[in-house]
Amino acid sequence: AQKITQTQPGMFVQEKEAVTLDCTYDTSDPSYGLFWYKQPSSGEMIFLIYQGSYDQQNATEGRYSLNFQKARKSANLVISASQLGDSAMYFCATDFGNEKLTFGTGTRLTIIP
Amino acid sequence: DAGITQSPRHKVTETGTPVTLRCHQTENHRYMYWYRQDPGHGLRLIHYSYGVKDTDKGEVSDGYSVSRSKTEDFLLTLESATSSQTSVYFCAIPGQGGLGYTFGSGTRLTVV
Repeated sequence: AQKITQTQPGMFVQEKEAVTLDCTYDTSDPSYGLFWYKQPSSGEMIFLIYQGSYDQQNATEGRYSLNFQKARKSANLVISASQLGDSAMYFCATDFGNEKLTFGTGTRLTIIP
Repeated sequence: DAGITQSPRHKVTETGTPVTLRCHQTENHRYMYWYRQDPGHGLRLIHYSYGVKDTDKGEVSDGYSVSRSKTEDFLLTLESATSSQTSVYFCAIPGQGGLGYTFGSGTRLTVV
């Protein structure tokens, strides 16, 4: 069955350190998209980064990068030089090759000053 | 230029009453989605629409119905609200290419 998994319910990271949020998925479709969203305490869903399954290079957006390992079905989010404003809930999601997003259960990231 | 808006933002209702949540988009997109968010579950798809009058069920559709009579509006109805439907509800539309799906600001619904 198609599934997307985030195994870290919560993480505490020192400010200015890099952080990796894990995400794995299970699909037999060759074409799919992978997404990461940030949800701060205010509640809105903020799109961070996208990776297509056929993209040769890992996606990057400013301090965010997606460590895409296709054979391992892994799509980890890396945040470099973490900031206090990075404290939030983070969700990975995939479309499994169709027009619907399926989400992981999320990781609550807390940045410690 | 939000592109997608939800109403109301907050609602408290009594068990057994009908409730309708509205999602409005200005992007003329064919697809629209309703999700609910609960602690420990992330966001789960309730229903989605792929065109006017074209809708389909998602993962957690029991107790919910939807309607789409115009491209810009997608309504979610709880025919008889239950306490288990207390949740935060999000509407979404797809983005352009790799720009990600865009979400509304959410509706916090409490059923007492």
